[in-house]
Amino acid sequence: KAGVTQTPRYLIKTRGQQVTLSCSPISGHRSVSWYQQTPGQGLQFLFEYFSETQRNKGNFPGRFSGRQFSNSRSEMNVSTLELGDSALYLCASSNRDSMIYEQYFGPGTRLTVT
Amino acid sequence: AQKVTQAQTEISVVEKEDVTLDCVYETRDTTYYLFWYKQPPSGELVFLIRRNSFDEQNEISGRYSWNFQKSTSSFNFTITASQVVDSAVYFCALSEEGYGGSQGNLIFGKGTKLSVKP
Repeated sequence: KAGVTQTPRYLIKTRGQQVTLSCSPISGHRSVSWYQQTPGQGLQFLFEYFSETQRNKGNFPGRFSGRQFSNSRSEMNVSTLELGDSALYLCASSNRDSMIYEQYFGPGTRLTVT
Repeated sequence: AQKVTQAQTEISVVEKEDVTLDCVYETRDTTYYLFWYKQPPSGELVFLIRRNSFDEQNEISGRYSWNFQKSTSSFNFTITASQVVDSAVYFCALSEEGYGGSQGNLIFGKGTKLSVKP
């Protein structure tokens, strides 16, 4: 069974631009969560989706948004990029409708903002 | 407020030594879940274990063991006879059961970087 896939793996953007990251969960998984990992702040929760609905949102500005499609694939978008948005963005999926069960993580997208 | 503290930032051991990674959590919920994840240099987080707040039984899986103590709000992880392949960053995480019966928000500790030298 294929794991969680994230595209692209690496991305370089300029301050002020916007970016869209994609996540394909493990087949059959309907829950997807996104996390941001930086050296300073560590791993921080961004949002969680289940059946195309956002169920939970972390403490991030409105520039960070996401969505989930009917096939459970998810995208996250960051508008008006800032230098501080440089991070590893991780996506995780779960095979239960409650995300309290184990989440399986993808390899991440490394975003660099210059 | 929820919080996970991993006081050990870095640990270095020699192969075959036993090592314990500490995790202390804070939560006001009575129902919560604790996790350990491993992040090797490749970057992908690997799930190791999940434990719910009603199950204080310790668990052993091969060289790995976990000690959950609600009285001290700790969920420590021990690797016995460490190996070079155990070198990674290890994260402890907490998830609470929020409104609607679930909350897919993992609260992570800052992680402990374990280096196992040959």
